[in-house]
Amino acid sequence: GENVEQHPSTLSVQEGDSAVIKCTYSDSASNYFPWYKQELGKRPQLIIDIRSNVGEKKDQRIAVTLNKTAKHFSLHITETQPEDSAVYFCAASRGVTSYDKVIFGPGTSLSVIP
Amino acid sequence: IAGITQAPTSQILAAGRRMTLRCTQDMRHNAMYWYRQDLGLGLRLIHYSNTAGTTGKGEVPDGYSVSRANTDDFPLTLASAVPSQTSVYFCASSDIAGRPNYGYTFGSGTRLTVV
Repeated sequence: GENVEQHPSTLSVQEGDSAVIKCTYSDSASNYFPWYKQELGKRPQLIIDIRSNVGEKKDQRIAVTLNKTAKHFSLHITETQPEDSAVYFCAASRGVTSYDKVIFGPGTSLSVIP
Repeated sequence: IAGITQAPTSQILAAGRRMTLRCTQDMRHNAMYWYRQDLGLGLRLIHYSNTAGTTGKGEVPDGYSVSRANTDDFPLTLASAVPSQTSVYFCASSDIAGRPNYGYTFGSGTRLTVV
């Protein structure tokens, strides 16, 4: 089955700097890669996702890149703010339909220092 | 308010006791899921249901059972709780089966401690 690895497990950045979180996956059939943000004590929430037919996707200060050949994808947060502090989970799925289950990475705890 | 409701919010349970975690959604999503969240391990899938009347096993199904009698409800039962089942449990649902995956909506979680 699918296995998703995520690095680093913890990340501290100064406010205004960029943060990058990297993930790898094992199932070459995976083609849907969502990212979730979980603030302390709250539920995970989808912040951005990418499908295998695109290499990069941006939404304001966040962007995701995908390299299907190398089976890795990354989350980039620019101009970080204290409210970006949270645990971020990458995930992978064959993603053809909602029948295709999502497998999560172990998470990255991001701290943005004011 | 549309979304997923989980109950209880938290529970302390004696080992060996039976416990059912409740999950109800009002979005008419066909697919529902139960995950457990443990530090350093992320979110691991316990059981899932693609449509009412069907269920399947996820990554860590042992010690848990589910049922899906209707679209809205997806309870998770621990038949005889053990301390290793201490975790935060999240229920989730996703959009209409058969459509491209648009991500999950999560409930607020149940913090379960087995002593």
